[in-house]
Amino acid sequence: ILNVEQSPQSLHVQEGDSTNFTCSFPSSNFYALHWYRWETAKSPEALFVMTLNGDEKKKGRISATLNTKEGYSYLYIKGSQPEDSATYLCAFQMNTGFQKLVFGTGTRLLVSP
Amino acid sequence: DVKVTQSSRYLVKRTGEKVFLECVQDMDHENMFWYRQDPGLGLRLIYFSYDVKMKEKGDIPEGYSVSREKKERFSLILESASTNQTSMYLCASSPSKKPQHFGDGTRLSIL
Repeated sequence: ILNVEQSPQSLHVQEGDSTNFTCSFPSSNFYALHWYRWETAKSPEALFVMTLNGDEKKKGRISATLNTKEGYSYLYIKGSQPEDSATYLCAFQMNTGFQKLVFGTGTRLLVSP
Repeated sequence: DVKVTQSSRYLVKRTGEKVFLECVQDMDHENMFWYRQDPGLGLRLIYFSYDVKMKEKGDIPEGYSVSREKKERFSLILESASTNQTSMYLCASSPSKKPQHFGDGTRLSIL
């Protein structure tokens, strides 16, 4: 069974703080690492798909890095805002040819005004 | 915008009933997925399908079956519902090698 771990489990920051979370995944049979944001009462929304070692992606104040050799990815949020409050999920995709994803349990972020 | 529609947001059924959860996507995606979300366990894959009439078991298929007779529709079937199948169920679809798009989820309670 593949193990995808995320830390911390939850995080409470003040508006304006910068924050980061970690996703650990198997370093073998890697195809892609996905990041999703899941706001309460909404559906998960794709943030990034990362495929190359050393990849960095950015979307507004959110960015992510990827290290496939050691099996981790970081998600950074610069200057957190209350609307960033959500659960952030990472998902590992193997190079099996299928689109199957293995999800971590998520990091729940709460940003207080 | 991709739309993945799940037939119900909330559903209450009784133990032993046969339960159907329906999912429809409007973007001609090859791949469709059913997950369940339980506290502390993350999203777990039940079944997925990469083409019409094709299905593959995910990580927790026991007690479930699926049907994909048309490309846009993927049904999850609980053959004989049990209380341990009370959960949030999410459907997703994706084209090949692209991110998955999720529905809003069905919160299913089995009494």
